[in-house]
Amino acid sequence: EAGVAQSPRYKIIEKRQSVAFWCNPISGHATLYWYQQILGQGPKLLIQFQNNGVVDDSQLPKDRFSAERLKGVDSTLKIQPAKLEDSAVYLCASSLSGSSVQYFGPGTRLTVT
Amino acid sequence: GDSVTQMEGPVTLSEEAFLTINCTYTATGYPSLFWYVQYPGEGLQLLLKATKADDKGSNKGFEATYRKETTSFHLEKGSVQVSDSAVYFCALEGGSYIPTFGRGTSLIVHP
Repeated sequence: EAGVAQSPRYKIIEKRQSVAFWCNPISGHATLYWYQQILGQGPKLLIQFQNNGVVDDSQLPKDRFSAERLKGVDSTLKIQPAKLEDSAVYLCASSLSGSSVQYFGPGTRLTVT
Repeated sequence: GDSVTQMEGPVTLSEEAFLTINCTYTATGYPSLFWYVQYPGEGLQLLLKATKADDKGSNKGFEATYRKETTSFHLEKGSVQVSDSAVYFCALEGGSYIPTFGRGTSLIVHP
């Protein structure tokens, strides 16, 4: 069974530029999560989707971050414009509907200079 | 809101030593509790879980017991190996169904 796929694995941008991350969850997993993991900290949930609907986005900085999951499968997280403090690893995870067990992708390491 | 507090690392042990990584939580209701592990260069993966008070989760020689009276879910292993070197994250999912993770504890096991 293929795992959660994410791309790119690494990205370096300058502040005020925009960036997008892509995630393809495990087939059949209705729930998709995006996390931000700053160095030395645990993952912080940014947004959670159930199929193509948003379950929670209370910790998403909506002035600069956006995410979509239009067809209920893969998802894109965008940052525009980026700030230095956005440097982090962005993790995508998925789970079966009704299950709390999450499967994580390898993450995208973002460096904002 | 919900929160998870883990002991700070790194925890450095010799092979075959006993391991305890402390985890306490604050949550409303009756959360599910998890330990995830991140091996070097890999993504997070579930190590074990417990969904109700007094449940014991176990996997790969690791154990953790859901203690509601002390709001704790400490991770233990009787004899660690070099291959257990990783970062361990305690996490919970409470009534809001929003996952909350601790900061992670790095474990280094020397031969």
